[in-house]
Amino acid sequence: SQTIHQWPATLVQPVGSPLSLECTVEGTSNPNLYWYRQAAGRGLQLLFYSVGIGQISSEVPQNLSASRPQDRQFILSSKKLLLSDSGFYLCAWSVKGNTEAFFGQGTRLTVV
Amino acid sequence: GQQVMQIPQYQHVQEGEDFTTYCNSSTTLSNIQWYKQRPGGHPVFLIQLVKSGEVKKQKRLTFQFGEAKKNSSLHITATQTTDVGTYFCANSNSGYALNFGKGTSLLVTP
Repeated sequence: SQTIHQWPATLVQPVGSPLSLECTVEGTSNPNLYWYRQAAGRGLQLLFYSVGIGQISSEVPQNLSASRPQDRQFILSSKKLLLSDSGFYLCAWSVKGNTEAFFGQGTRLTVV
Repeated sequence: GQQVMQIPQYQHVQEGEDFTTYCNSSTTLSNIQWYKQRPGGHPVFLIQLVKSGEVKKQKRLTFQFGEAKKNSSLHITATQTTDVGTYFCANSNSGYALNFGKGTSLLVTP
């Protein structure tokens, strides 16, 4: 069966520090991968999606970036965090041709 | 991506009462999906609707897709405390990624 791993679960980082969140999927190959952000009490905002290795589409311009170095690995990064980057970051995957999304447990990021 | 609007933003009901959340779009949707997010948890897929006028049921949950494919609803009959959470609709007109509504947060009081 397929599983998605996302870590860390919680993270407190100072303003201006770098960020690296990792997500891996097991039990499937060539998935579509997604990063969403959810501000407190708000909806889910699509940040990036990827249909293959090295292919990244950005939905919202900001100081975050994403990379897909391997088929089932998706990384969210920032060189310098802002206070406004605080939120709940969710990685998700879907099968090619199907947009039903399976979410990881999420990372709760607090920038202080 | 196509934006979907959800109402209400919040709903507080007594256990046993019914609950409905609505999802609306100004343009035709190719499909609509519904997700549930428990407090502190991650969204979990509930169902996908693709046909005009489609109605699907999952126990006490009834999902409808409008005839014009511009709106959808989720109705819960006789709510229970386990129904607490935020319900999101989402669509994928782009074919690659889902765009979510802002969600309806349901609170059920015993």
